Amino acid sequence: NAGVTQTPKFQVLKTGQSMTLQCAQDMNHEYMSWYRQDPGMGLRLIHYSVGAGITDQGEVPNGYNVSRSTTEDFPLRLLSAAPSQTSVYFCASSFSSGLRAGYGYTFGSGTRLTVV
Amino acid sequence: DQQVKQNSPSLSVQEGRISILNCDYTNSMFDYFLWYKKYPAEGPTFLISISSIKDKNEDGRFTVFLNKSAKHLSLHIVPSQPGDSAVYFCAASAGNAGNMLTFGGGTRLMVKP
Repeated sequence: NAGVTQTPKFQVLKTGQSMTLQCAQDMNHEYMSWYRQDPGMGLRLIHYSVGAGITDQGEVPNGYNVSRSTTEDFPLRLLSAAPSQTSVYFCASSFSSGLRAGYGYTFGSGTRLTVV
Repeated sequence: DQQVKQNSPSLSVQEGRISILNCDYTNSMFDYFLWYKKYPAEGPTFLISISSIKDKNEDGRFTVFLNKSAKHLSLHIVPSQPGDSAVYFCAASAGNAGNMLTFGGGTRLMVKP
């Protein structure tokens, strides 16, 4: 099925470990982004990309790294995991013109990360 | 400071009645607004949107109202169904921010049979 695929679905990390959350989309969307969801705080933007080779910081970028070498993939790297990074992470994508054309984002099903 | 706020963390409604979910924003540059619905263990799904040039947009049982002077929008669901039970997020976009969305904290809607 076409859409946004996130792996893994669940992950437990120890403080100080690093890992990469994977995100892939097969809709040829130019725009991709990473959000974290925390109780009462909604979805907060971590990093985003408007196309291959172009990335930028969102609202809460500290402790995270991204790259966009292809249109399809947008991995999120945790450099040195901290308990404050315990959260649910969502990847989203859209056509550059899709948001205001009434299509919104397409979200992945999320990665639940626990840092102990 | 949150630029998009949903002040009611939860709402309980009887099946068949109207559900009204509210959202307030502070950034006057926001000119496009969206509502997303999220079930447990799934990603949010796009529900309905409205441009600031309109004050109402309707799609079946879902209607979004925008009051620019009050910086307030609301989502009406009529009639409410048990399958509408989910968390609803309001989101906003500014014309100079490309595709970036700012989300509210969400409202959990429970529709009782």
